[in-house]
Amino acid sequence: ETGVTQTPRHLVMGMTNKKSLKCEQHLGHNAMYWYKQSAKKPLELMFVYNFKEQTENNSVPSRFSPECPNSSHLFLHLHTLQPEDSALYLCASAEGSHNQPQHFGDGTRLSIL
Amino acid sequence: DAKTTQPTSMDCAEGRAANLPCNHSTISGNEYVYWYRQIHSQGPQYIIHGLKNNETNEMASLIITEDRKSSTLILPHATLRDTAVYYCIAIPGSARQLTFGSGTQLTVLP
Repeated sequence: ETGVTQTPRHLVMGMTNKKSLKCEQHLGHNAMYWYKQSAKKPLELMFVYNFKEQTENNSVPSRFSPECPNSSHLFLHLHTLQPEDSALYLCASAEGSHNQPQHFGDGTRLSIL
Repeated sequence: DAKTTQPTSMDCAEGRAANLPCNHSTISGNEYVYWYRQIHSQGPQYIIHGLKNNETNEMASLIITEDRKSSTLILPHATLRDTAVYYCIAIPGSARQLTFGSGTQLTVLP
């Protein structure tokens, strides 16, 4: 139990569907992150939120839309995805101050048909 | 971020200490050494980090050489559940992005 919970754990969707990934952290952290982990590729940072404000968007396509309603919850809204978007999507949180480790959830395994 | 080099794989007998080396010869003064691990089908798990001094927590110990060019992660009594890929990274304290290399596949044998 890492204190970061992601749902669902697995998701299969068609390219025309709309779905959302959810992340919740119970660690009292102020920073939250979305990462994408594909087979045989390095971990890719997608978005960073600090105190509910988006501070980084690493050139992520607009078919991925993040939402951070409060410091404990983070969503990733998905629409019109492509097969190459199939991957493990990881959420992480951190205290947000200098030199604090990130704590990850177990991810959502996303498959696009 | 400084490049890190780790062995591709290691085996360790259950109950023995697992010593995982990491080389970071180009590390700069403001970069910390972090260790994470990833068990199959789970997210990365933070283990420990340090700057110059050796560190110990409930999971592991981190030994950093005096010149900071290498470090060793020690799991004092490895169990089967410690079988995972272990990643060593060197990043500034203010870094947001974590980038994992190939890591070391540690297999704990019964």
